[in-house]
Amino acid sequence: SQKIEQNSEALNIQEGKTATLTCNYTNYSPAYLQWYRQDPGRGPVFLLLIRENEKEKRKERLKVTFDTTLKQSLFHITASQPADSATYLCALPTGGSYIPTFGRGTSLIVHP
Amino acid sequence: DGGITQSPKYLFRKEGQNVTLSCEQNLNHDAMYWYRQDPGQGLRLIYYSQIVNDFQKGDIAEGYSVSREKKESFPLTVTSAQKNPTAFYLCASSIDLTGELFFGEGSRLTVL
Repeated sequence: SQKIEQNSEALNIQEGKTATLTCNYTNYSPAYLQWYRQDPGRGPVFLLLIRENEKEKRKERLKVTFDTTLKQSLFHITASQPADSATYLCALPTGGSYIPTFGRGTSLIVHP
Repeated sequence: DGGITQSPKYLFRKEGQNVTLSCEQNLNHDAMYWYRQDPGQGLRLIYYSQIVNDFQKGDIAEGYSVSREKKESFPLTVTSAQKNPTAFYLCASSIDLTGELFFGEGSRLTVL
């Protein structure tokens, strides 16, 4: 079955740098892939969706890429700020349905 | 303001008791979902509903029940059959099964 892999170790970076988070999947390329932000004790908030026929999507300081050959999506935050510190989840449909399955998320910590 | 409202935010239950978590949305979304999140884990799908009066089991439906009598409402009952009910429960909605998910603020259930 399709597995979703996100780095379980927290990513620590300095303010102003670009943060890059990775989401790998194991089997077939999904029809789409989503990225969410989750703050402690809160519900996730949708950030970006990229479809399988798209290579890249941008929204303000956020950029998502989708490489179906590598079976990987990269999520970039440029000019990172301490307020960007949160857990970032990727989600994609698995098991033959369109409903997204979530990865475990990667914690991002931006130091001032 | 449009959104999803979950209640209660915190709930304590004695073993052997059923509890019902409320989820209401005013986004006019057809699809609604219940996820469970445990520490260090991704979100796991409990049940979802594509349309009123219809719902489907997710990956971990055992010990849970739902109803979808109104478009706006999708309550989740955690029954005494659920072996490890202590968790953070998240309700979400989307326009359809392929859309971005809008999450509520979550309900934290603790079994004493």
